[in-house]
Amino acid sequence: AQSVTQPDIHITVSEGASLELRCNYSYGATPYLFWYVQSPGQGLQLLLKYFSGDTLVQGIKGFEAEFKRSQSSFNLRKPSVHWSDAAEYFCAVEGSGDKLTFGTGTRLAVRP
Amino acid sequence: DGGITQSPKYLFRKEGQNVTLSCEQNLNHDAMYWYRQDPGQGLRLIYYSQIVNDFQKGDIAEGYSVSREKKESFPLTVTSAQKNPTAFYLCASSIAGGFYGPYEQYFGPGTRLTVT
Repeated sequence: AQSVTQPDIHITVSEGASLELRCNYSYGATPYLFWYVQSPGQGLQLLLKYFSGDTLVQGIKGFEAEFKRSQSSFNLRKPSVHWSDAAEYFCAVEGSGDKLTFGTGTRLAVRP
Repeated sequence: DGGITQSPKYLFRKEGQNVTLSCEQNLNHDAMYWYRQDPGQGLRLIYYSQIVNDFQKGDIAEGYSVSREKKESFPLTVTSAQKNPTAFYLCASSIAGGFYGPYEQYFGPGTRLTVT
């Protein structure tokens, strides 16, 4: 069975600083990987996805993620964080039957 | 505007009562999903349906039931057998399930259920 680990429960960065959110996955076959963002009390919005091909994927809102098979990682990055990026971020891996397995999330706070 | 609607946004029920959460999509998606979200636990899959009149249990189906009589609708009933029903419930859909993937899932705004 697949699993996802997001080791950082809570991260605080200053506005304008760079950001990296960590995600490690466990899955026996080729993984399909996703990053979603959730504002408080809202649904999830897809930031980006990796299915195959180029290991560096670009997403919305200036986010990117790099798939590293050797490290079983799919870390999310942004070069300069904006106050509006404060939210909770979820990494997910898709297994059989299009079922998503989510990590426990990383809550991002942005310091003015 | 295409999307997923969940109603109501907030729902309050007394313990021992069944309650049904609505999920409707006009994206013409075949697959629909129900997740439960608790603080610090991420999202956990309750039930999913890849086609009308068919659905499968997810990881935490006990105490829940669903139906899929129409492509656009996938209501979730939280029964009195669910021991800890207070949570945030999210519905999602994707273009096709099962053999045609992968496809990303699109999420509704969620329903917060409080049972006292």
